[in-house]
Amino acid sequence: EVQLVESGGGLVQPGRSLRLSCAASGFTFDDYAMHWVRQAPGKGLEWVSGISWNSGSIGYADSVKGRFTISRDNAKNSLYLQMNSLRAEDTALYYCANGLRPFRPADAFDIWGQGTMVTVSS
Amino acid sequence: SYVLTQPPSVSVAPGQTARITCGGNNIGSKSVHWYQQKPGQAPVLVVYDDSDRPSGIPERFSGSNSGNTATLTISRVEAGDEADYYCQVWDSSSDLFGGGTKLTVL
Repeated sequence: EVQLVESGGGLVQPGRSLRLSCAASGFTFDDYAMHWVRQAPGKGLEWVSGISWNSGSIGYADSVKGRFTISRDNAKNSLYLQMNSLRAEDTALYYCANGLRPFRPADAFDIWGQGTMVTVSS
Repeated sequence: SYVLTQPPSVSVAPGQTARITCGGNNIGSKSVHWYQQKPGQAPVLVVYDDSDRPSGIPERFSGSNSGNTATLTISRVEAGDEADYYCQVWDSSSDLFGGGTKLTVL
């Protein structure tokens, strides 16, 4: 069964850091692009960041550029999001998702995890 | 930056056809993907590349894309189709979502 499980969320003060993880199973992880998508409470989906299968191509939303860093460890079937200088507006449920087809940098998002909640508040 | 515009809400009676639009400048030149999200659940891909369906998605879900508007069409709407729907495109090395449309089944 294809599965993505996020972890690492929690309550953090403004200006602090947090690292999210996404553990993948059930598919050939290193063949697929991976993404982080967030959803603030009661709001819509917002793409945060994406990384190609070999980490050769990385992109960020303008809202997080310079503060967040995406990475992956294909040996561990894991995706990460390092979030620095957190703001109240970063409060959201963070999902990881994989690309639909292998070796495609731009693609639909196939499987989504259940998300990990990040709350930025003093 | 590129903007995707969706109507906030669409209402339809059971058995009728729902059409949810996604507007963007020359969106017909891009591949559009659609997601369904029910309350408390993660999104589910229902249409990709404008009009293709992932395995397991009913044929009632279809899509089209031309000019400045992409459309998700749900035929023979059922109560279980009530959800939020989001369109998505890739533009200038970034992925973008529309604001979402709440489909209400009357």
